[in-house]
Amino acid sequence: AQSVSQHNHHVILSEAASLELGCNYSYGGTVNLFWYVQYPGQHLQLLLKYFSGDPLVKGIKGFEAEFIKSKFSFNLRKPSVQWSDTAEYFCAVNDGGATNKLIFGTGTLLAVQP
Amino acid sequence: DTAVSQTPKYLVTQMGNDKSIKCEQNLGHDTMYWYKQDSKKFLKIMFSYNNKELIINETVPNRFSPKSPDKAHLNLHINSLELGDSAVYFCASSQATGGAGELFFGEGSRLTVL
Repeated sequence: AQSVSQHNHHVILSEAASLELGCNYSYGGTVNLFWYVQYPGQHLQLLLKYFSGDPLVKGIKGFEAEFIKSKFSFNLRKPSVQWSDTAEYFCAVNDGGATNKLIFGTGTLLAVQP
Repeated sequence: DTAVSQTPKYLVTQMGNDKSIKCEQNLGHDTMYWYKQDSKKFLKIMFSYNNKELIINETVPNRFSPKSPDKAHLNLHINSLELGDSAVYFCASSQATGGAGELFFGEGSRLTVL
């Protein structure tokens, strides 16, 4: 069965610091990878996704993620965070099968201090 | 216009009661989902319907019964509510199955069982 691990449960950064959130998945076949963000009190929104092609994926709001197949990883990065990036970040994976079943990691709460 | 809308947003009820949450999407998507987010923010899929047909049914107590009257609506009925059912329930939709579709989430319905 697929699973997703996010090792950082809670990250605190100052504004302008660089961000990297870890995500590892377990599945041996072809995967589609996603990062979703949930701002306080809001619904989940897609930040970026990887299906195929260039393993470095750029998303909204200056976020990017790199798919490293050999490490089963899809880490999220941002060179300089802002206070408005304070949110919960979820990595997710599906196997591209018939059901589009998305498996989520446990989330990382990012708090950016002004 | 809200793409995926859920009602009610908040629901407080006593153990043993029956309650329903409604979801509607105006995106023209064929596939809809229910996810449960627990107090630790963990998101787990419960059900998925594609064009009114059930395609994902995770290990969920049979007190939970989804109903899809048409492809734009997916409702969730819960019988004999228990304390452990307290959570935020998210409805989502996607354009396709087969892993190709981004999920669009509603704002969530926070259920509190006393």
